[in-house]
Amino acid sequence: QKEVEQDPGPLSVPEGAIVSLNCTYSNSAFQYFMWYRQYSRKGPELLMYTYSSGNKEDGRFTAQVDKSSKYISLFIRDSQPSDSATYLCAPDSGGSNYKLTFGKGTLLTVNP
Amino acid sequence: DSGVTQTPKHLITATGQRVTLRCSPRSGDLSVYWYQQSLDQGLQFLIQYYNGEERAKGNILERFSAQQFPDLHSELNLSSLELGDSALYFCASSAGPELHFGNGTRLTVT
Repeated sequence: QKEVEQDPGPLSVPEGAIVSLNCTYSNSAFQYFMWYRQYSRKGPELLMYTYSSGNKEDGRFTAQVDKSSKYISLFIRDSQPSDSATYLCAPDSGGSNYKLTFGKGTLLTVNP
Repeated sequence: DSGVTQTPKHLITATGQRVTLRCSPRSGDLSVYWYQQSLDQGLQFLIQYYNGEERAKGNILERFSAQQFPDLHSELNLSSLELGDSALYFCASSAGPELHFGNGTRLTVT
């Protein structure tokens, strides 16, 4: 079983839709749960991260972590064409070596 | 702008050759990471340096090597290149959990 599994999509939605992106992981030691966004021809950039279980909201974005089921979600409300990108989940165990294990990413297209 | 600079942006070379990719981390960041991104494998961790010393190793081939210099810039050396080494190579730097990525070097091996 891979450490991080993410549905690669692609996912295509109309503008204004609610988007749900998900990952599962296998390593119980993961404590930090990050979502990176990668636009075409660019490096990934951190969108948001949570520590341990629970929800975190930042504007139109909500991250959820369920450590009991090892399931990570990112919700995007009122999706915009500018949200079109690849979204990568990246859980990590922390410590001094934050090397991160990335999911393969989900390609999202928001159509105007 | 992440503050991480990678050069060159594009590199085209032949099989069997050797190339060097360069990374300048964000000001103040002591950790530098190298990743390889391909369509089928996603973003794969290669190696991490912290303040000049190797800190962690991932799926890095023996044909690849890296180092971090006293001024904290880092180089990734790829030798005996094969067609399968064609990919995007990203450098990232950090001072904590968040990684700051450069925009990558696209390597094409022909």
